[in-house]
Amino acid sequence: SAVISQKPSRDICQRGTSLTIQCQVDSQVTMMFWYRQQPGQSLTLIATANQGSEATYESGFVIDKFPISRPNLTFSTLTVSNMSPEDSSIYLCSVEMGQNTEAFFGQGTRLTVV
Amino acid sequence: AQSVTQLDSQVPVFEEAPVELRCNYSSSVSVYLFWYVQYPNQGLQLLLKYLSGSTLVESINGFEAEFNKSQTSFHLRKPSVHISDTAEYFCAVSKGTGFQKLVFGTGTRLLVSP
Repeated sequence: SAVISQKPSRDICQRGTSLTIQCQVDSQVTMMFWYRQQPGQSLTLIATANQGSEATYESGFVIDKFPISRPNLTFSTLTVSNMSPEDSSIYLCSVEMGQNTEAFFGQGTRLTVV
Repeated sequence: AQSVTQLDSQVPVFEEAPVELRCNYSSSVSVYLFWYVQYPNQGLQLLLKYLSGSTLVESINGFEAEFNKSQTSFHLRKPSVHISDTAEYFCAVSKGTGFQKLVFGTGTRLLVSP
């Protein structure tokens, strides 16, 4: 299994500002993912954080809005840029330990944009 | 593209009563199916998964789910619930190859009362 720490756990931010969310894993993992859960909706995959290369974004998500870093095999950040109230969501980090294993999730970051 | 439907946003039930949380999916290809649980103030945890083989899968805490290909369903059941089962339950289907790119349903909140 993996222990995933996300920081911050919650934040209230002003529109137009940016917030960087950190995801730290207690062991090296092959793949890391970022999801978003908007109020009353399901979790949606934002992107795959690739170590040593640019993240792979899903349809509807772009690097300018959600820049992602993955400097090593245990850490990743997601930045929500130029925030608007529509960005108010829970953002979750997810990791894969190896091929054909289950996905582990962090506790999420609850973001409110005012 | 895959999609997941959880028709019940909330299911109230009394302790020791049976419960069924419904999940239907749509996909043009073979899929892997999952149920995740999120207890209050905790991260998502894998409850059980269907990969192949027996269509009935069980978890260690008494939940079971049955993969029904003809009805494209993966309903979650428990014959007798406990107060501690109160949580949000998410059904998910794998997106693409492997497990980790998941498409989630909107979740069902199970509320168990004494």
